[in-house]
Amino acid sequence: AQKVTQAQTEISVVEKEDVTLDCVYETRDTTYYLFWYKQPPSGELVFLIRRNSFDEQNEISGRYSWNFQKSTSSFNFTITASQVVDSAVYFCALSPIIQGAQKLVFGQGTRLTINP
Amino acid sequence: SQTIHQWPATLVQPVGSPLSLECTVEGTSNPNLYWYRQAAGRGLQLLFYSVGIGQISSEVPQNLSASRPQDRQFILSSKKLLLSDSGFYLCAWRARSYNSPLHFGNGTRLTVT
Repeated sequence: AQKVTQAQTEISVVEKEDVTLDCVYETRDTTYYLFWYKQPPSGELVFLIRRNSFDEQNEISGRYSWNFQKSTSSFNFTITASQVVDSAVYFCALSPIIQGAQKLVFGQGTRLTINP
Repeated sequence: SQTIHQWPATLVQPVGSPLSLECTVEGTSNPNLYWYRQAAGRGLQLLFYSVGIGQISSEVPQNLSASRPQDRQFILSSKKLLLSDSGFYLCAWRARSYNSPLHFGNGTRLTVT
């Protein structure tokens, strides 16, 4: 069975602070993909990043960075110098690399509030 | 480029009434299609997925059904809505390549009264 755990239900920080969102996953698959999605107040889910289980290199995209550690089954997301527009619910997700529907399993989400 | 359209954006329906939510994808062919529901607790629950026309898989027993009459059309239906069907419904598509992410529609907020 696959499971994604986002232990932080809600996080609130002041603008310009750095913030890390935790994601821990469980899977028996040896190959898989990990994802992060952002859900702003408008409701749609926006794809942020995909990471292949073969590739443990950290990735940086502007103020966003992701730390994938296979040894601890974690895929954490850090926002540097947070801004009010970063306020949203963030979801971590896991998908096996198999033929077929490739269903994503989502965590429960972390509601991030950036206060001015 | 690919786009996904989902409508209506909001819907208020009485208990016992029927439901039809529609989702269409443009700019791609033979996508995998999904219906998710997001209840008040924020978690995303997969309801149905489809790998082709007429092929529907249900993930959880429920009062809802899904159909895929055309390659890029996915419909979520109910004959009689329950109060517990209230929620935020999201349609999504994914290309068949292994590394393709899910792309979501804007969602339908359904309130059953």
